[in-house]
Amino acid sequence: EVQLVESGEGLVKPGGSLRLSCTTSGFTFSSYTMTWVRQAPGKGLEWVSSIKSGGNDVFYADSVRGRFTVSRDDARDSLYLHMSGLRGEDTAIYFCARNRYDDSPPFDYWGQGTLVTVSS
Amino acid sequence: DIQLTQSPSSVSASVGDRVTITCRASQDISSWLAWYQQKPGKAPRLLIFSASNLPSGVPSRFSGSGSGTHFTLTINSLQPEDFATYYCQQTTNYPPYTFGRGTSLEI
Repeated sequence: EVQLVESGEGLVKPGGSLRLSCTTSGFTFSSYTMTWVRQAPGKGLEWVSSIKSGGNDVFYADSVRGRFTVSRDDARDSLYLHMSGLRGEDTAIYFCARNRYDDSPPFDYWGQGTLVTVSS
Repeated sequence: DIQLTQSPSSVSASVGDRVTITCRASQDISSWLAWYQQKPGKAPRLLIFSASNLPSGVPSRFSGSGSGTHFTLTINSLQPEDFATYYCQQTTNYPPYTFGRGTSLEI
């Protein structure tokens, strides 16, 4: 069974940093592009970042580029999102997801999400 | 960037009804469109990919159609568990992988 479990939930002050983790099982993690998607309270879905298999190709939404860094550890079957320079508008539930295809969405499996709150 | 416009933003229906949700893309995306279902407090679930393909486990009352810039999600014979929010997403290999703003399907 494919499973994705996020962790790293927290309350952070504006300008602060936080690292999210996504631990996976049930599939060959190293073969898949992985993605972070977020959802602000009561709002819709926003794609944040994707990292291709191998880890050399990464992509970011304009809203987070230069502040967030996506990475992966294939030995640990884990995906990470290091967030710095956090702003109030980064407050959201962050989901990790698996891409069905190496080059593009859709996202066929999702974690349950982890909440990031940015507030003073 | 590719923009997606979903309509309606909300729709009311009853068990047994047929509902259609529309998603329009700001440019031709061929069949590179997906639909997701999200229930409150849960992660999204992939319903349709490549405009009209159902992943295994998705009931056949869900169907998708369209290509280019105009797409539809149809749910036949609504079931109680179908009341949720539905999102379209462009799935070309050109990020950002934008989502529509969602359609809330209410009883």
